[in-house]
Amino acid sequence: EPEVTQTPSHQVTQMGQEVILRCVPISNHLYFYWYRQILGQKVEFLVSFYNNEISEKSEIFDDQFSVERPDGSNFTLKIRSTKLEDSAMYFCASSERQGDYNEQFFGPGTRLTVL
Amino acid sequence: GEDVEQSLFLSVREGDSSVINCTYTDSSSTYLYWYKQEPGAGLQLLTYIFSNMDMKQDQRLTVLLNKKDKHLSLRIADTQTGDSAIYFCAETPTGGYQKVTFGTGTKLQVIP
Repeated sequence: EPEVTQTPSHQVTQMGQEVILRCVPISNHLYFYWYRQILGQKVEFLVSFYNNEISEKSEIFDDQFSVERPDGSNFTLKIRSTKLEDSAMYFCASSERQGDYNEQFFGPGTRLTVL
Repeated sequence: GEDVEQSLFLSVREGDSSVINCTYTDSSSTYLYWYKQEPGAGLQLLTYIFSNMDMKQDQRLTVLLNKKDKHLSLRIADTQTGDSAIYFCAETPTGGYQKVTFGTGTKLQVIP
C-alpha cells in the first residue's frame, strides 16, 4: 500500500541552525501539507501546497519557514534559523484532491529537537 | 476559530467497549474524522462522518454525531490490546478548506 515517508526520523540541531525536513508524498497525490505537534499539545496545521504554490498557511508559518517541491517526488520544509520552541514532531501529509472529503495520508513524522 | 476538545486518557479492559468523546466549536464543520496514532507511527484515518449524518458504523467502530451539541463519539466494540493508541478527533470546515483541525488526542489503554 502506498505511504508517505519522511526523513530523518529524528533530527537534533543547535539553535540558530537551518534544518530541512524531507517528505516523499504518495506518488499520484497533488496536495501536500505540513503539520507539527509540540510534545503534549495538539497537532497543528502549518501549511498546504498545491501546484508549486502555498495554498494556505497558519500564523505559525512565519518567514522562518519555507516549503519546496524541488523535484517530482520530494516535498521539503525548511526552518531557516531554528528556535527552542521549534522542537516538535513534524508530520507531512498528502492528498489526492482537495474539497470537503479530504483524506490526508500522514507520514510517520520527524522529531526535531532544538538545543 | 475552530477548537476541538477531548479527554486525555481512557482505560478499558480487553473485550469491553471503549467510547471516546469529542466536542468541537465550529458549527460549519463539514467532515469529522477519527485518526489513530500508534507509537512511532503517523496518523492513520480510521473513519469519518459527514455532518448531515447522525451515525456511521464500520465493523467494530461506531461514530455518533450530535450536531446540536457539537459532540462526536467513537465507540470501539470488543476492544483489543492492539487498539491501544492515541485517538484524535478532527474536523474540516465547510468550503473545502484543506487544513484539518485536530483535537488534543485521547490515549486509550487496553488492559489485558
